[in-house]
Amino acid sequence: DAGVIQSPRHEVTEMGQEVTLRCKPISGHDYLFWYRQTMMRGLELLIYFNNNVPIDDSGMPEDRFSAKMPNASFSTLKIQPSEPRDSAVYFCASSSGDRDMEKLFFGSGTQLSVL
Amino acid sequence: QKEVEQDPGPLSVPEGAIVSLNCTYSNSAFQYFMWYRQYSRKGPELLMYTYSSGNKEDGRFTAQVDKSSKYISLFIRDSQPSDSATYLCAMTRDDKIIFGKGTRLHILP
Repeated sequence: DAGVIQSPRHEVTEMGQEVTLRCKPISGHDYLFWYRQTMMRGLELLIYFNNNVPIDDSGMPEDRFSAKMPNASFSTLKIQPSEPRDSAVYFCASSSGDRDMEKLFFGSGTQLSVL
Repeated sequence: QKEVEQDPGPLSVPEGAIVSLNCTYSNSAFQYFMWYRQYSRKGPELLMYTYSSGNKEDGRFTAQVDKSSKYISLFIRDSQPSDSATYLCAMTRDDKIIFGKGTRLHILP
């Protein structure tokens, strides 16, 4: 298996633009997580899905952020409109089943820079 | 007080030394405890996983959990330059996984 695949690896955009980050989890994994990492705040959970259903989105900072998981093999995180303070590394992670939910497999991340 | 506290470092030690990395936490509801290792420009990867107080060993790595003191540790024996990375502790409560900010570790050849 290729692991969790994220795209793009780097995204540079201007303030006010829409940004869409993509994630393909490991096949067979039931859980998908979106995290954001910054030097100041560390790794923060934004939202997670179980069997394509959003379970907890309390970490989503504002209404400008939205996430979808239309099927078991694809998820998106959208920021509209983007702001400079959204600059961070965004990670997608997946895990399998209730007993191993904590054992996360991370993608390589998307480095987002909003100018 | 943050739920999980971790010294950001950086921590620099000579090759071959024993490394001790630590986290404290405030919520006694945490059930599972993990250590993730993150190399530069990569995602974190799971290193150690435990759910009970005591020690768990895996090769050169030992994870220690003290629930009474709300304190967890990761020990690295015979440290190698390839161990240079950021180490993040993580713990779960109510199906949420909370990460520490990570400690940057440099092993000096």
